[in-house]
Amino acid sequence: AQSVTQPDIHITVSEGASLELRCNYSYGATPYLFWYVQSPGQGLQLLLKYFSGDTLVQGIKGFEAEFKRSQSSFNLRKPSVHWSDAAEYFCYVGGTSYGKLTFGQGTILTVHP
Amino acid sequence: ETGVTQSPTHLIKTRGQQVTLRCSSQSGHNTVSWYQQALGQGPQFIFQYYREEENGRGNFPPRFSGLQFPNYSSELNVNALELDDSALYLCASSLEREIYGYTFGSGTRLTVV
Repeated sequence: AQSVTQPDIHITVSEGASLELRCNYSYGATPYLFWYVQSPGQGLQLLLKYFSGDTLVQGIKGFEAEFKRSQSSFNLRKPSVHWSDAAEYFCYVGGTSYGKLTFGQGTILTVHP
Repeated sequence: ETGVTQSPTHLIKTRGQQVTLRCSSQSGHNTVSWYQQALGQGPQFIFQYYREEENGRGNFPPRFSGLQFPNYSSELNVNALELDDSALYLCASSLEREIYGYTFGSGTRLTVV
């Protein structure tokens, strides 16, 4: 069955520290991969996406993600976290199922000053 | 370009009632997907409309129904409301299904009492 897993429900980092949020997927073909961020009570904002080509993709707000086919992963990274990055982050795997693949369960990021 | 607009932003309904939520898609987008997000959960796919046709449906009962209009705006209708229908309902639009990534609205917060 197709699925997406975010192993970390809650991550806490200090401001200025580096960040890596994990996303693992199970999908039978080459997936389209996305990361979204959600502030409390708000909709989701697209951070970055991967369709093909260079496996390291750059997104908004200084985020990047790397697609590793051998590990079925698409981890999100940021070299230096800002307090405003505190939010919930969702990995999304899409493709020909047109939306039937739902989001991962999300990772809540807390940033300590 | 305009983003995705949802109305109303908040709504309180009584169990057994019916509700209609509305979504104006981003200019140029022909695909609209609806998601239900319960408190503390990731978004769950309800259904998707592509060029006015339903293009996929998640595990939601038939009392959840939708429409997409020629201008690609959309409605989500829920009949016979249950307490568990209380959630944030998110509308997302995209160009050509999900390939390019969704643009999300800020959602409608539905409370069923």
